Parts: sequence; C-alpha cells; structure tokens
Amino acid sequence: LAKTTQPISMDSYEGQEVNITCSHNNIATNDYITWYQQFPSQGPRFIIQGYKTKVTNEVASLFIPADRKSSTLSLPRVSLSDTAVYYCLVVTSGGSYIPTFGRGTSLIVHP
Amino acid sequence: ETGVTQSPTHLIKTRGQQVTLRCSSQSGHNTVSWYQQALGQGPQFIFQYYREEENGRGNFPPRFSGLQFPNYSSELNVNALELDDSALYLCASSLDGGRARADTQYFGPGTRLTVL
Repeated sequence: LAKTTQPISMDSYEGQEVNITCSHNNIATNDYITWYQQFPSQGPRFIIQGYKTKVTNEVASLFIPADRKSSTLSLPRVSLSDTAVYYCLVVTSGGSYIPTFGRGTSLIVHP
Repeated sequence: ETGVTQSPTHLIKTRGQQVTLRCSSQSGHNTVSWYQQALGQGPQFIFQYYREEENGRGNFPPRFSGLQFPNYSSELNVNALELDDSALYLCASSLDGGRARADTQYFGPGTRLTVL
C-alpha cells in the first residue's frame, strides 16, 4: 500500500500562505494524489487532486515534483475557517481498491 | 443535485448487538465506500461497492458486511458489536469507483456509533 506521511500539526496566522507536505515514497505509476479537508464531526471534503507538476483551483494549489514521491498542498492567505485536518490520499493500484488515509495534518489558524 | 446522506445521525448499542447503517449516494454516482473513523484518527477504509458488487475491502473482519442496492444506496452491517467499534462511520460516493484512480469521493456527514 502507498503509505503517506504528513506532519501531525501546523500553526499559522490569518493571511499567511500555508504549505503542507506529504511523503508517498512508494506511489505507483497510475496513482493520483488527492487532498481532503475535514472539520470536526463532519465527513472529509475534496480539495484538490493531481498526478504531476502543478494543479490549481479556486481554493488551493498542489505541487508534485517529477519523482512524485511527495506532494505539497498550498493554501493561499488562510483564514480562521481553514482550521481543520488535512489528509493526503494516494489510492494504491494492485488489483483492489484500497484508499489509505493517514492521520492527517491538524492546521490551526490564529487571528 | 442531492448530496450524500446517512442515517441515523447517532446510534447507541450494547456489546454483542447488531447494527445497520444506511447511505444514499449523490445523484449520478454508482459507487459507495464505507470508512470507520476513530477519535483522533484518519478514516479507515472498510469496503467499496461498485454497481452492487464489492470492489475492494480493507482490513476489517467478516462481521462487517455491506450491500448496495440497484439505486446505488448502500448499507453497512456490523454484527457482534465490540466496544472498539465505537466510531464515526462515513459513507462516500463517487462516479466510477476503483475503475478510475482519479476517483473523487464525496463524503456524507457520518453516523456516530457508540457501543456500551
């Protein structure tokens, strides 16, 4: 299984850019990298997905280097409402569909 | 467009009992995945159903079973409940299941199960 490793927690302040890096050393060729956001007592919410290089949408950017062994979620100008747990997910190929969430990164945004 | 819904919201059971949780997938989605999330942990994949067939299973014992109906809604059944089964159970629907590695999942609000 493609195991992911993220920092357990991060702190930031309103208006700053936040970068959360995820390591996935044994990512397979056809795997995509997906990031989710989760607030307490709610289901995770899709943020962004990519395969390589850079992907940007209205809420975040995702940077993936050429070797694809890591990825970085970038949140521009965070606000208090961005306080949440962020999960990096890689779906492992190999016959069965078994997505593996790690423990995620708890981001706290301070005023 | 209707999002993913789950019922019930909360549930309290005693050890040894059986429980059934329900999930309605988002309109147009044919795939449902179930996850267990213990407090402070990430969601753990239980299994996925794609067009009424099991499409993958995580490391959960057989007392965790599921079903997907022709309308793509789904049930999660847990027999012989144990204290460690207390968790938030999440259902997620997606368009084309494990056939697409770029599968994007849309999660419901979850069912909070407490086993006493």
